[in-house]
Amino acid sequence: GENVEQHPSTLSVQEGDSAVIKCTYSDSASNYFPWYKQELGKRPQLIIDIRSNVGEKKDQRIAVTLNKTAKHFSLHITETQPEDSAVYFCAATSGGGYKLSFGAGTTVTVRA
Amino acid sequence: EAGVVQSPRYKIIEKKQPVAFWCNPISGHNTLYWYRQNLGQGPELLIRYENEEAVDDSQLPKDRFSAERLKGVDSTLKIQPAELGDSAVYLCASSTGGEPYEQYFGPGTRLTVT
Repeated sequence: GENVEQHPSTLSVQEGDSAVIKCTYSDSASNYFPWYKQELGKRPQLIIDIRSNVGEKKDQRIAVTLNKTAKHFSLHITETQPEDSAVYFCAATSGGGYKLSFGAGTTVTVRA
Repeated sequence: EAGVVQSPRYKIIEKKQPVAFWCNPISGHNTLYWYRQNLGQGPELLIRYENEEAVDDSQLPKDRFSAERLKGVDSTLKIQPAELGDSAVYLCASSTGGEPYEQYFGPGTRLTVT
């Protein structure tokens, strides 16, 4: 099955700086890569996703890049704000696009 | 549009007791998922439904866990009997089942087994 590894496990950045989280996956057939943000005690929220036919996608201050050859994808958050503090999970699909395998999460802390 | 609804939000039980969780997916979403999230980890899939059919239950510990989705809408996940290691957050998610694949999560039920 799919194995997703996520780094770093914790990330502390100064407000206004950029944050980068990296994930690798094992199944070359995976074709959908979402990112979820989970605040303490709340539900995981989909913040951005990318499909295997696209190399990069951007939505305001967040962007995701995908390198299919190397089987890795990354989340970039620019101009970080205190409300960006949360746990971020990457995921990859297998099983025809339905089965999400999640990374272990990255706890991002934005220092004011 | 209402999101995925789950109840209860919190549940504390003693080991060996039964427990049940309920999920109401987003209207029109045919695919429903149950995940378990242990502390400090990402969610792990337990079971996936397409309408009322369980199409992937390979990760469901069938000796003590069961699930149903009667009429292809609401779903119930049951544990009987509960063990200490079952303490976790149980998340329900739903999706349209076709492309795109976006899964939308409910708030979860935090289970504590003492």
